[in-house]
Amino acid sequence: KAGVTQTPRYLIKTRGQQVTLSCSPISGHRSVSWYQQTPGQGLQFLFEYFSETQRNKGNFPGRFSGRQFSNSRSEMNVSTLELGDSALYLCASSLGAGGTDTQYFGPGTRLTVL
Amino acid sequence: DAKTTQPPSMDCAEGRAANLPCNHSTISGNEYVYWYRQIHSQGPQYIIHGLKNNETNEMASLIITEDRKSSTLILPHATLRDTAVYYCIVRVALYNFNKFYFGSGTKLNVKP
Repeated sequence: KAGVTQTPRYLIKTRGQQVTLSCSPISGHRSVSWYQQTPGQGLQFLFEYFSETQRNKGNFPGRFSGRQFSNSRSEMNVSTLELGDSALYLCASSLGAGGTDTQYFGPGTRLTVL
Repeated sequence: DAKTTQPPSMDCAEGRAANLPCNHSTISGNEYVYWYRQIHSQGPQYIIHGLKNNETNEMASLIITEDRKSSTLILPHATLRDTAVYYCIVRVALYNFNKFYFGSGTKLNVKP
C-alpha cells in the first residue's frame, strides 16, 4: 500500500506571498493532520481534517488554513508569508476513528521564506 | 494531553540494546503512550504504542511501569540506521480527538 505523499517536496517563496501544500493520505484513511516543524519550536500540531471538516485545531494564526476533498486529499494554505513560516510541513493520515488511531506521516514539504 | 520528559541524547553501541526512557508522571487513565522516531528531516515513523501492558512488535518493545508514570522503549539490537530522534507521546484515546503533542525527543546516536 502506498504511503502518505506530499507535494511539492521543496518550495521557496518570498515574504507576503501565499503558498498551498498538498497531501494525499494512505488509501482508505479519512483523517489528515498537519504539523509544522521548526528548530526552535519542534513539531507542532496545526489542524486535522476528517470527512472534509476541520475536527481539531492547534494554536496558529488564521493565516494558516486547510481543506479536505471528498477523496480525503488535503491542502494547506499559508497566506501573507512571514520569515518565521520557514519550516518543514508534515502531514499525517489515519483511519480517522480516533481512539488509538495511529498516524502515519509523509516525507514533508520544506518551505523556505526569503 | 500529559507532558513527557525525555533525555536530550543517548549513545548506544551497534548490536547492543538501546533503552530509551520517558517520564509521563501526569498521565491519566485514558491516555496511551506512543513512540515515533524521526530520521534526519524525514517524516516521523510510528514505532509502537501501549496503554498499560508491555507491548512488542517487529521493531521494538515498550515497557510501561505499573503506575504508568514512566516507560522505556527498547530496540533489542541497535544498528547504525536506528540513529534518529525518538519521541515519546502520551495521547488521550477519545473518539474524534486526533492530535499528537510532540516533545523535544531523545537523539539516539548508534556508534560502530
